[in-house]
Amino acid sequence: DAKTTQPNSMESNEEEPVHLPCNHSTISGTDYIHWYRQLPSQGPEYVIHGLTSNVNNRMASLAIAEDRKSSTLILHRATLRDAAVYYCILFPGSSNTGKLIFGQGTTLQVKP
Amino acid sequence: GAGVSQTPSNKVTEKGKYVELRCDPISGHTALYWYRQSLGQGPEFLIYFQGTGAADDSGLPNDRFFAVRPEGSVSTLKIQRTERGDSAVYLCASSRGPLYEQYFGPGTRLTVT
Repeated sequence: DAKTTQPNSMESNEEEPVHLPCNHSTISGTDYIHWYRQLPSQGPEYVIHGLTSNVNNRMASLAIAEDRKSSTLILHRATLRDAAVYYCILFPGSSNTGKLIFGQGTTLQVKP
Repeated sequence: GAGVSQTPSNKVTEKGKYVELRCDPISGHTALYWYRQSLGQGPEFLIYFQGTGAADDSGLPNDRFFAVRPEGSVSTLKIQRTERGDSAVYLCASSRGPLYEQYFGPGTRLTVT
């Protein structure tokens, strides 16, 4: 299974942008890049996913490097409610099981 | 609409006892997943159902763990002869299919004393 590398923790100030990096140098051509986050005492929550092009949705933006070996999740204006563990996951496009392989993730702390 | 629900939210049991954990997926979702999360770790895949059948049970740690989904909706995770190492949060998720985003429930915190 392809592996991702994320910083253990990051800090941000409220209402400032946050850039959460993820390295995935062994990504294969059919792997999608998925991001989930887990707020305290809750189950994980889908954030965004992409394959090659940058993606935007109401929660965040995903910037994917041209060689696809890294990506960045962008929260445009962090709020206290964005404090969570953020997981970057490689998901095979040919998957027939939907199995998500979570790493340790990045714990984001948002300061008021 | 209603999300994924799991019952009980907390379960404390003695070593050696049998437990059942229940998951109610989002209506119409054909895919259902169980994960287990130990303290400080990311969730770990246990089993995937497509409809009524277990399409991938490669994550079940041993034969004390078993899961069913008899009518393709509600699922029950069953653990026999519980051990202290089984203590964890058990998460259930559902989706429209294996290639779609997964919606997670709040989890059941299992404590084996």
